[in-house]
Amino acid sequence: DGGITQSPKYLFRKEGQNVTLSCEQNLNHDAMYWYRQDPGQGLRLIYYSQIVNDFQKGDIAEGYSVSREKKESFPLTVTSAQKNPTAFYLCASSIGPKGTQYFGPGTRLLVL
Amino acid sequence: AQTVTQSQPEMSVQEAETVTLSCTYDTSESNYYLFWYKQPPSRQMILVIRQEAYKQQNATENRFSVNFQKAAKSFSLKISDSQLGDTAMYFCAFTDAGGTSYGKLTFGQGTILTVHP
Repeated sequence: DGGITQSPKYLFRKEGQNVTLSCEQNLNHDAMYWYRQDPGQGLRLIYYSQIVNDFQKGDIAEGYSVSREKKESFPLTVTSAQKNPTAFYLCASSIGPKGTQYFGPGTRLLVL
Repeated sequence: AQTVTQSQPEMSVQEAETVTLSCTYDTSESNYYLFWYKQPPSRQMILVIRQEAYKQQNATENRFSVNFQKAAKSFSLKISDSQLGDTAMYFCAFTDAGGTSYGKLTFGQGTILTVHP
């Protein structure tokens, strides 16, 4: 089955620790996106990538980093510089910038 | 910058009834796409319906239809014959079809819809 997978489902971060969220898709989509969702709010764009080895900052990129070494994968690292990382993180992909975005199941990040 | 506003934080409807969720947006672009996404308690974001701004015909998807008013910048979602499984948070979203937006989705704050038996 084609789709988008995210792991882990839950992730706990300690003070000063970097953590990496995984996002994989087998839809052969060129574009991939990371969004953050805070309780009771809509989604905000962290980073996006239109093609392998290229990515751009979204609206709230500070404290986050990404890589796009393979078309299928777009991991997000939440660094220690992100002071308020507790949120629900959603990965999405689309055929291209004009395509409909489809979402993975999300990762909930909590701070210990 | 584009903005999306959903003015109804919460709505409720009886099973089998019809409900309409409101969305307005602000943009200077002439060509764009609008979406409604559904987020049930599982938190998975599910596409409900998509509308292309250059198409005058309102999009429909089974029990879901939109009322797209381009001049008024309004994009409401009508759910007919509401079912218990429609209970979810509904998000209106916008993306520019060209320019430098690179497909970025701008979301509204969401409307929590509860369907009562």
